[in-house]
Amino acid sequence: GQQVMQIPQYQHVQEGEDFTTYCNSSTTLSNIQWYKQRPGGHPVFLIQLVKSGEVKKQKRLTFQFGEAKKNSSLHITATQTTDVGTYFCAGTPTSGTYKYIFGTGTRLKVLA
Amino acid sequence: GAVVSQHPSWVICKSGTSVKIECRSLDFQATTMFWYRQFPKQSLMLMATSNEGSKATYEQGVEKDKFLINHASLTLSTLTVTSAHPEDSSFYICSARSTGTYNEKLFFGSGTQLSVL
Repeated sequence: GQQVMQIPQYQHVQEGEDFTTYCNSSTTLSNIQWYKQRPGGHPVFLIQLVKSGEVKKQKRLTFQFGEAKKNSSLHITATQTTDVGTYFCAGTPTSGTYKYIFGTGTRLKVLA
Repeated sequence: GAVVSQHPSWVICKSGTSVKIECRSLDFQATTMFWYRQFPKQSLMLMATSNEGSKATYEQGVEKDKFLINHASLTLSTLTVTSAHPEDSSFYICSARSTGTYNEKLFFGSGTQLSVL
């Protein structure tokens, strides 16, 4: 079945350093979404990317969708302690269904 | 933004009993809801897709007789864990797909921590 992998699994950074998580799907996606889950909380929607090669920015966060629509990345510039949490990508296959397959997640810790 | 309410937040039950979890979309209609299971420090595993007025679609390896899903209205889906066993202990979370104004985002409930003794 379809798999969505993320690397790295864990990342510890010093506050102020940059952080990137990569998302790779075994199949082509119609769109990809990113979510953030704080410890003990539920996933919260961050953004959706639809177009091949699309790049979107939200303040210090930059999201990219690959040209082949099989991979994506999330980059955080100058991390802050509030960025702590697990970041998940979630992809919808091009088969026409609306189910979202979540990536394995990247857990980010920011050291003050 | 849209709100999805999930109850209960946590439940402890004895082995062999059944537990019902409710997922409600409070300010939008959700024709499709999804049920996920999450183990500690792991990703969300899609269990089933719940469609209003029709049978749920279960993912491979998920027992439909074990995890009963009912989506009787456009705002409510329920997951019943039947004859629960300790291995069913997990964090269960629902989400509702919102179209139109919210551009097909997924909104998540706050989750239910199930502990089976």
